[in-house]
Amino acid sequence: AQTVTQSQPEMSVQEAETVTLSCTYDTSENNYYLFWYKQPPSRQMILVIRQEAYKQQNATENRFSVNFQKAAKSFSLKISDSQLGDTAMYFCASVSSNTGKLIFGQGTTLQVKP
Amino acid sequence: DTAVSQTPKYLVTQMGNDKSIKCEQNLGHDTMYWYKQDSKKFLKIMFSYNNKELIINETVPNRFSPKSPDKAHLNLHINSLELGDSAVYFCASSLVGVGSPLHFGNGTRLTVT
Repeated sequence: AQTVTQSQPEMSVQEAETVTLSCTYDTSENNYYLFWYKQPPSRQMILVIRQEAYKQQNATENRFSVNFQKAAKSFSLKISDSQLGDTAMYFCASVSSNTGKLIFGQGTTLQVKP
Repeated sequence: DTAVSQTPKYLVTQMGNDKSIKCEQNLGHDTMYWYKQDSKKFLKIMFSYNNKELIINETVPNRFSPKSPDKAHLNLHINSLELGDSAVYFCASSLVGVGSPLHFGNGTRLTVT
């Protein structure tokens, strides 16, 4: 079964500092994709970053980067130079070619403090 | 120029009523979805349509019936509403292809009293 686990319900970071959100997943598939989505208080779901499992290189998008450890089935999100606007709930998600279903983790609430 | 739009944004209704949530996307995507986010913020897929054809149907009570009149629209009709149906319902769309990111609407908060 395809599962995604986020073990940190809540985290906080000081503005301008760096924070890492953890995510582990389980799948028996070889062809799958991983995502991080952000949900600010406005409720909108926003794509942060996407990783293809067959690519070893870690994806980066400006201040956001991932540490993709395929053997460990780990997919953490690093946010550098945290900004107040990064305050949100962050969801890790995976989709496999077999099921086509995007499965979400439980979410991590991140508070960026001034 | 909203990409995925859902109406209404809020919906308050009584148990036993029937209600619909509408969703439209102008991104030219072929695949559309409905997700449910419960009170603990957990997101779960309900349905997926590809070019008007149902391709994913999770274990959802048959009181929930999606309707896709064309590939740009996916509506959700709910019969005989129950207290446990209270949640935020998200519509999303994507290009065909497993790795295509989902683009979400702003959600509809349904409250059943």
